[in-house]
Amino acid sequence: AQSVTQLGSHVSVSEGALVLLRCNYSSSVPPYLFWYVQYPNQGLQLLLKYTTGATLVKGINGFEAEFKKSETSFHLTKPSAHMSDAAEYFCAVSVWSGGYNKLIFGAGTRLAVHP
Amino acid sequence: GAGVSQSPRYKVAKRGQDVALRCDPISGHVSLFWYQQALGQGPEFLTYFQNEAQLDKSGLPSDRFFAERPEGSVSTLKIQRTQQEDSAVYLCASSLRTSATDTQYFGPGTRLTVL
Repeated sequence: AQSVTQLGSHVSVSEGALVLLRCNYSSSVPPYLFWYVQYPNQGLQLLLKYTTGATLVKGINGFEAEFKKSETSFHLTKPSAHMSDAAEYFCAVSVWSGGYNKLIFGAGTRLAVHP
Repeated sequence: GAGVSQSPRYKVAKRGQDVALRCDPISGHVSLFWYQQALGQGPEFLTYFQNEAQLDKSGLPSDRFFAERPEGSVSTLKIQRTQQEDSAVYLCASSLRTSATDTQYFGPGTRLTVL
């Protein structure tokens, strides 16, 4: 069965520092992977997704993630954190159920950015 | 264009009451999903509709939970005889088609508190 593990429920960085949010997945088939961001009292917004092709995926707001099959990882990075990046981030894997997909989410990582 | 909307945004119910949560997906989207997000957790799949057909209800926690999408657009999630463990944010998402790589667009959620 597919699953997602996000290492670190809370990450704190200084403004301007590198952001690294970790995600490992378990999947018996080639996975489709997603990163979503959730701001307080809002729904989830797609940051980026990996389907096929290039393993380095660029998303919105300067985020990117690299699919590494050998490490079963899909870590999210941003070179320089901004105060507005403070939010909760969810990694998800798409489970194909024979005609439709559903997302299996990790528990989330809350990112704090301090001056 | 309009995104996914949900109403009410907040609902407080006394234990044993019935509640109904509404989701208005993006117009023309074939797929509609309901997820449950407990405090401090990632969203968990509840049920899936393809147009008006409910193809998967494997995530519904009990027979007190019921969902419908009678005309293939608006959906309602109903919870009968609410219990305290039902307290959570209920998220609705829609996607244009049924592909495993389709982006799911999320609404802001309904926060249900059962007293």
